[in-house]
Amino acid sequence: GGIITQTPKFLIGQEGQKLTLKCQQNFNHDTMYWYRQDSGKGLRLIYYSITENDLQKGDLSEGYDASREKKSSFSLTVTSAQKNEMAVFLCASSILHNQDTQYFGPGTRLLVL
Amino acid sequence: SQWGEENLQALSIQEGEDVTMNCSYKTYTTVVHWYRQDSGRGPALIILIRSNEREKRSGRLRATLDTSSQSSSLSITAAQCEDTAVYFCATDADYGNEKITFGAGTKLTIKP
Repeated sequence: GGIITQTPKFLIGQEGQKLTLKCQQNFNHDTMYWYRQDSGKGLRLIYYSITENDLQKGDLSEGYDASREKKSSFSLTVTSAQKNEMAVFLCASSILHNQDTQYFGPGTRLLVL
Repeated sequence: SQWGEENLQALSIQEGEDVTMNCSYKTYTTVVHWYRQDSGRGPALIILIRSNEREKRSGRLRATLDTSSQSSSLSITAAQCEDTAVYFCATDADYGNEKITFGAGTKLTIKP
């Protein structure tokens, strides 16, 4: 079995601040994903990456950057945090593509003051 | 039923009852994933049903897929308190990309 680790678990930021969230997986999966989950809503895809150094925009990429420096890690940057923003950011990985199971991390909870 | 940008639906039943959650999707999909999310945790896959399957079972769970009506359902038989969670369907309706699209989810509460 494997595990997905997300750091930090909680993130409190200031308006306008650049914030970086990190994700590590030891499944040796090719594809990794970042999702945003707002309270009472479903998951919305921000970025995904099908291999090291690859980046693909999801439906919600504006206001975010991502980086896949190596196969096991995928980081997400909030380029300018919005005041009163509150959401959970979920990282996931899968073997190859959209028909495969996605394995999720526990999430990073963001609060912007 | 659930989809996309809609709000989370809420469903509450008594322990021991059966429950069915529905999911409709907009375009052809090759697979429907059903995920369960417990409070404070990431989602976890519970059933995956492919377009060439009409029904799939796993313990007390039963998923169906009707490609003609572009809908899927997840049923839980004799629900137990530990089935309390948010349930999402997801499809690869954006075929050709490496991504799946999640529905808004159903928050299921099982009362003792």
